[in-house]
Amino acid sequence: GAVVSQHPSWVICKSGTSVKIECRSLDFQATTMFWYRQFPKQSLMLMATSNEGSKATYEQGVEKDKFLINHASLTLSTLTVTSAHPEDSSFYICSATPASSYEQYFGPGTRLTVT
Amino acid sequence: AQSVTQLGSHVSVSEGALVLLRCNYSSSVPPYLFWYVQYPNQGLQLLLKYTSAATLVKGINGFEAEFKKSETSFHLTKPSAHMSDAAEYFCAVSDLGSGNTGKLIFGQGTTLQVKP
Repeated sequence: GAVVSQHPSWVICKSGTSVKIECRSLDFQATTMFWYRQFPKQSLMLMATSNEGSKATYEQGVEKDKFLINHASLTLSTLTVTSAHPEDSSFYICSATPASSYEQYFGPGTRLTVT
Repeated sequence: AQSVTQLGSHVSVSEGALVLLRCNYSSSVPPYLFWYVQYPNQGLQLLLKYTSAATLVKGINGFEAEFKKSETSFHLTKPSAHMSDAAEYFCAVSDLGSGNTGKLIFGQGTTLQVKP
């Protein structure tokens, strides 16, 4: 149980375009979802926390107009990277927390390459 | 504010040897502490967690960690390394103890290499 999926697993896009990444909790309802960014050989950096039906809370230094997060249902959160640039290339990982738990369950990650 | 420091970005052991990965934390509230493992191009898998119960925590794959408040440490150990243990390991602290959102603050990570 407690499976989180991400789609796509990898994506290549051209500079200036937007790309959407989906995070789904497959077998539980997630009241809270988190989005992380990981550069090669580095740790995970929290980008934002999203709660179903409300606006996401962004960490300091994360541009909320560039990284749009929507948590429209208890099983789906999306991260849209708008006007992507090569420096946005990274590994994006989401996690989800069930309503009755504090534990975060992580998705497999999405590799974004901006050319 | 909370933070985590993992001492040693790279640890190399021989197969069958003791694995010791170090983690020190800083927290103004009672911490919840976690160890995760990450294989290349994959997400994170929880190894074990400390949530203010027993100070010696046993996890999956033979790993365990001991919470030492006086030393603000939560080191990860395994008596005998397997080749399959080679991966990236992350220590993380959460602010859940104070009833907050539970966001995780990760350490820098430690790459474990297991030599045959």
